[in-house]
Amino acid sequence: GAGVSQSPRYKVTKRGQDVTLRCDPISSHATLYWYQQALGQGPEFLTYFNYEAQPDKSGLPSDRFSAERPEGSISTLTIQRTEQRDSAMYRCASSLGAGGPFEQFFGPGTRLTVL
Amino acid sequence: DQQVKQNSPSLSVQEGRISILNCDYTNSMFDYFLWYKKYPAEGPTFLISISSIKDKNEDGRFTVFLNKSAKHLSLHIVPSQPGDSAVYFCAAIIQGAQKLVFGQGTRLTINP
Repeated sequence: GAGVSQSPRYKVTKRGQDVTLRCDPISSHATLYWYQQALGQGPEFLTYFNYEAQPDKSGLPSDRFSAERPEGSISTLTIQRTEQRDSAMYRCASSLGAGGPFEQFFGPGTRLTVL
Repeated sequence: DQQVKQNSPSLSVQEGRISILNCDYTNSMFDYFLWYKKYPAEGPTFLISISSIKDKNEDGRFTVFLNKSAKHLSLHIVPSQPGDSAVYFCAAIIQGAQKLVFGQGTRLTINP
């Protein structure tokens, strides 16, 4: 596609529910990233994929968070048993790959609100 | 532990003047730095970058300066234009580690 797309753009859920966020990266990009952004802060790294491999998930805040990219293109981020502290903007980005260039291209984000 | 810091939450500059946005980092392993610009309701968009082997990179009205000894970088915009009003994020990366580490952002407002 022309750019990184994310869906839904907004998600409101009740505490304890599971949510799944979707990211569709730029089609030629091998590497896909997930970030969490709190209000007034910069994005914070959660995890990334090289194609379907997930070399680093060190930023996932708990085992309630998981991500998949089974066919090396579209990715999903799932938060189980959501808590109010999970409320944030979730951003997906993609880049050409590990060899650079290192610029990451961001999608518009999904604003998650947990009531 | 905030490894990348932008200590000015906001900056206001008159149109036509120079805008200078600052960023400090603590991790000496960072070897590539990027600036992103963000408009409301949009994702951050890449603006300009610099490798740690350089001390300056210029692209049109935008110049990034890197002072490795001070662990400091700055973004200069000259002349500033109303369309430059946005939030600017500084980010750093260790090549091979893949993840960007962002500062908190600085909201730049260009006044006519």
